[in-house]
Amino acid sequence: EVQLVESGGGQVQPGGSLRLSCEASGFSFSNYWMHWVRRVSGKGLEWVSLINSDGTRAVYAESVKGRFTISRDNAKDTLDLQLNSVRVEDSAVYYCTRDLNSYYDFWGQGTLVTVST
Amino acid sequence: SYVLTQPPSVSVSPGETARLPCEGDNIRDKAVHWYQFKPGQAPVLVIHYDVDRPSGIPERFSGSNSGNTATLSISGVEAGDEADYYCQVWDATDHRVFGGGTKLTVL
Repeated sequence: EVQLVESGGGQVQPGGSLRLSCEASGFSFSNYWMHWVRRVSGKGLEWVSLINSDGTRAVYAESVKGRFTISRDNAKDTLDLQLNSVRVEDSAVYYCTRDLNSYYDFWGQGTLVTVST
Repeated sequence: SYVLTQPPSVSVSPGETARLPCEGDNIRDKAVHWYQFKPGQAPVLVIHYDVDRPSGIPERFSGSNSGNTATLSISGVEAGDEADYYCQVWDATDHRVFGGGTKLTVL
């Protein structure tokens, strides 16, 4: 059974940092591109970042470029997202997703990030 | 950038058919995927490539895509179908584009 379990969310002050993690199981993690998607309350879904299967290529949404860093450890079947210089508008539920060509066939349950003073 | 537009809410009575539109410029030329979000649960893919249903998704869920509108249809709506539904496409820059989501209410 495919499982994606996010962790690391919490409350952080503007300008602060947070590291989100996603533990994958039930499939060959190293064969898949992975993404982070966030859901902002009342504003819908926003694609955040992707990383290719071997971790050599990462792409970011303009809204997070230069502040967030996606990475993966295929030996540990984990996907991470480092959030730096966070802003109030980064507050959201962050989902780890498995990419299957142009869509996501599996999602985690999400981890909540709240940016406030 | 490509924009997908969904109505904020759709309401139907149990047993009726719910039709959730997703509008985009010449969306017929793109593959549209649909996700279901329920509180406290992991989101679920309900339709991919316009019309394909993943295993485990009831036949009551179907999709179509024509002109500038893709549609998720749910026939024989049940209380358990109450959720937020999002459409999604892939654009040429490796990014994924989502609609604003539709809240389906079962009256």
